[in-house]
Amino acid sequence: DSGVTQTPKHLITATGQRVTLRCSPRSGDLSVYWYQQSLDQGLQFLIHYYNGEERAKGNILERFSAQQFPDLHSELNLSSLELGDSALYFCASSPRGGTSTDTQYFGPGTRLTVL
Amino acid sequence: QKEVEQDPGPLSVPEGAIVSLNCTYSNSAFQYFMWYRQYSRKGPELLMYTYSSGNKEDGRFTAQVDKSSKYISLFIRDSQPSDSATYLCAMRRTQGGSEKLVFGKGTKLTVNP
Repeated sequence: DSGVTQTPKHLITATGQRVTLRCSPRSGDLSVYWYQQSLDQGLQFLIHYYNGEERAKGNILERFSAQQFPDLHSELNLSSLELGDSALYFCASSPRGGTSTDTQYFGPGTRLTVL
Repeated sequence: QKEVEQDPGPLSVPEGAIVSLNCTYSNSAFQYFMWYRQYSRKGPELLMYTYSSGNKEDGRFTAQVDKSSKYISLFIRDSQPSDSATYLCAMRRTQGGSEKLVFGKGTKLTVNP
């Protein structure tokens, strides 16, 4: 158990809908990262938050947004969902701001199915 | 060309075999190299972390980095059925003042008893 929690574990929804994925980092970790994992693309970095502020963006679509709250938990919002958004969404946390020696600890993931 | 290439396998070996997993990369800006293990329906967990070219050993696992060839490897000695998982290589580089982690697609390994 990495100490990172994600809810829900599974989510099934329809195209055009909006969902929110939630992540609680390990105690004391200031950074939260979101990743998308699909069979064809592998694990893709979406976005990084550090202590409430956006630090880096990866391959995140405009339909997706995230935020990190004062208690350091984070939410990933996915809107206007398409079939291709079906994937595993992972959250990871690290102690600091993503420096070279920071280790990322991954949560168990949320499996999103868009029908 | 993808920044990080990894043969997806699958790779199937008998128990006790030596396993070799590899990744190549194209961007010389990558400075830190990692191997993650991902069991089915679980999140990735960090196995090994290396910085410089050369070998790093941890128990049955050895990580090897050759920066001149842009090639990294993970060796598993005396493989066990519990090693059956997907192994992802990952590399870190700086992007816009922040560190970015780029993953390979993963190699699925099955160790047969």
